[in-house]
Amino acid sequence: SQQGEEDPQALSIQEGENATMNCSYKTSINNLQWYRQNSGRGLVHLILIRSNEREKHSGRLRVTLDTSKKSSSLLITASRAADTASYFCATAPLSGSRLTFGEGTQLTVNP
Amino acid sequence: EAQVTQNPRYLITVTGKKLTVTCSQNMNHEYMSWYRQDPGLGLRQIYYSMNVEVTDKGDVPEGYKVSRKEKRNFPLILESPSPNQTSLYFCASSYRGVSGWSNQPQHFGDGTRLSIL
Repeated sequence: SQQGEEDPQALSIQEGENATMNCSYKTSINNLQWYRQNSGRGLVHLILIRSNEREKHSGRLRVTLDTSKKSSSLLITASRAADTASYFCATAPLSGSRLTFGEGTQLTVNP
Repeated sequence: EAQVTQNPRYLITVTGKKLTVTCSQNMNHEYMSWYRQDPGLGLRQIYYSMNVEVTDKGDVPEGYKVSRKEKRNFPLILESPSPNQTSLYFCASSYRGVSGWSNQPQHFGDGTRLSIL
């Protein structure tokens, strides 16, 4: 089964609202990364948070990591229609060479 | 412009006809990887390469081959494609970095949609 699992699978909000997506994982990690995928395009890296970090910000993005609960959240503030995309979390193991992706959250921001 | 380029973007072919999907990056990245994306299954890694002449299996390597003869190129080869390999394929690359490739962002190509009839 996948290491990372996003929740919810789909989220629909109005422009200007905040969007929160969650990711849970099973085994200990080196870091956790969030990616965005626009329809028909490749994934774009958004933010990386290391296992010894609890919170990280990048523009309108805020990521938290709780290693005790093996979970992370991605918050997009003041969402825009251009934020409509699929969002994936990916976990990097403590050892090994595989980055494991979840199934993604489809975010729709309505104008 | 820094990019990962995949070709072709779309391909419809028949069972058993060998095909190659090319991947090239212009960022001098050591690490390259192939993924397939299927509905309900997310992205699954097929093969990866830590550097020239070094390749290893990912989670779903059966039916695929790769080679890394040059740093910039990492082709994916389907020797005898079958319908269950119909999927959206992505190539990705990253620096190895001081603390290892997994601490680096992955750069993705725009994908190759393969349909095998």
